[in-house]
Amino acid sequence: GAVVSQHPSWVICKSGTSVKIECRSLDFQATTMFWYRQFPKQSLMLMATSNEGSKATYEQGVEKDKFLINHASLTLSTLTVTSAHPEDSSFYICSVLGGTDTQYFGPGTRLTVL
Amino acid sequence: KQEVTQIPAALSVPEGENLVLNCSFTDSAIYNLQWFRQDPGKGLTSLLLIQSSQREQTSGRLNASLDKSSGRSTLYIAASQPGDSATYLCAARNSGNTPLVFGKGTRLSVIA
Repeated sequence: GAVVSQHPSWVICKSGTSVKIECRSLDFQATTMFWYRQFPKQSLMLMATSNEGSKATYEQGVEKDKFLINHASLTLSTLTVTSAHPEDSSFYICSVLGGTDTQYFGPGTRLTVL
Repeated sequence: KQEVTQIPAALSVPEGENLVLNCSFTDSAIYNLQWFRQDPGKGLTSLLLIQSSQREQTSGRLNASLDKSSGRSTLYIAASQPGDSATYLCAARNSGNTPLVFGKGTRLSVIA
């Protein structure tokens, strides 16, 4: 069964609104979660590393005030896209580090900003 | 900083052919390397995981090899089928608690 879930699986919103995406680790407690995004026909690019109980670490070029990450529990991390614009339309995928060998990926959330 | 490159970007083959997808990485001090499959508009399906101490892994018609010294990995698909059509992603990790770094993928089409 699924190890990582994401909600919603897709969302359409108007420009200027905020959208929250949830990532849940179903099988184990996850101290660390990763958020990636994937533009059409591009690869997955790491956005940020989410650490339970502390601030997220953002990759260069990713605005931390625009992409708010909250990892308040060992099974849940949320990504909020604030004041979304059409260029934020993308496929957002979260990932959970399981032990030291494997990253488990969520099914992804497709965001379309009109 | 680790960088992963995949060649070719796209590949079209007739059904039944054996094929090889290539992946190269710049930092040979990897922890492990993973191959994924992604269908259009979908998430990732893990195919094979190779630890740094391993040379290859096999699963059914798939065989992945790893050569750390040359910074290369290959994914071999035997007797390709139309159902194998998808994008194949290679990703490398540099340590046990760092995230996977992905290549841009190879888009495979197997023609019946």
